[in-house]
Amino acid sequence: SSELTQDPAVSVALGQTVRITCQGDSLRSYYASWYQQKPGQAPVLVIYGKNNRPSGIPDRFSGSSSGNTASLTITGAQAEDEADYYCNSRDSSGNHLKVFGGGTKLTVL
Amino acid sequence: QVQLQESGPGLVKPSQTLSLTCTVSGGSISSGGYYWSWIRQHPGKGLEWIGYIYYSGSTYYNPSLKSRVTISVDTSKNQFSLKLSSVTAADTAVYYCARELPSPNTDAFDIWGQGTMVTVSS
Repeated sequence: SSELTQDPAVSVALGQTVRITCQGDSLRSYYASWYQQKPGQAPVLVIYGKNNRPSGIPDRFSGSSSGNTASLTITGAQAEDEADYYCNSRDSSGNHLKVFGGGTKLTVL
Repeated sequence: QVQLQESGPGLVKPSQTLSLTCTVSGGSISSGGYYWSWIRQHPGKGLEWIGYIYYSGSTYYNPSLKSRVTISVDTSKNQFSLKLSSVTAADTAVYYCARELPSPNTDAFDIWGQGTMVTVSS
């Protein structure tokens, strides 16, 4: 299957921890990458591979994976973390098709 | 610091061909090691990967768009381009170019252009 499934919306209280999940068969074979997108802006890579953060991404962002589920965890969510988050991986059929999840709208209360 | 910038018409008529170019600055496409992709986002919707090209010219396209898509590279200009033929209103979207990190077990688009809105309308 080439589908990645995300919850449409998640909320978190300021300073608390939130986990955003992504499910799909391909995640049994490939790591997910995670992107943050704010309104009117291009996506920004926040986590990739086993748990890698690009330069400039705060260490409150972390990634993990188990079975067919990948997770993005924000420890101590800040107001500026309010955004849409997308997961991305490769199609599980072994070809080069890249697929994205439908996105999760994170609200910081 | 590598930067990407999309350019092209913001309005395309139905049945015509959408043409966009991505100019890479701060680094060379020819240095290798990266795949160069086009990704689009329909208004208010999620992301859809269109396809990629390597500096050598090898390509891979999303099967859902393959019959209409051509991605090419011009290493002399440090650019890569997208052509999408026979467009309809369903092709109205923000189009992004992006650089993909090389990895055997993950896909990661680490650098994105700002995106360009393309509207298909007569």
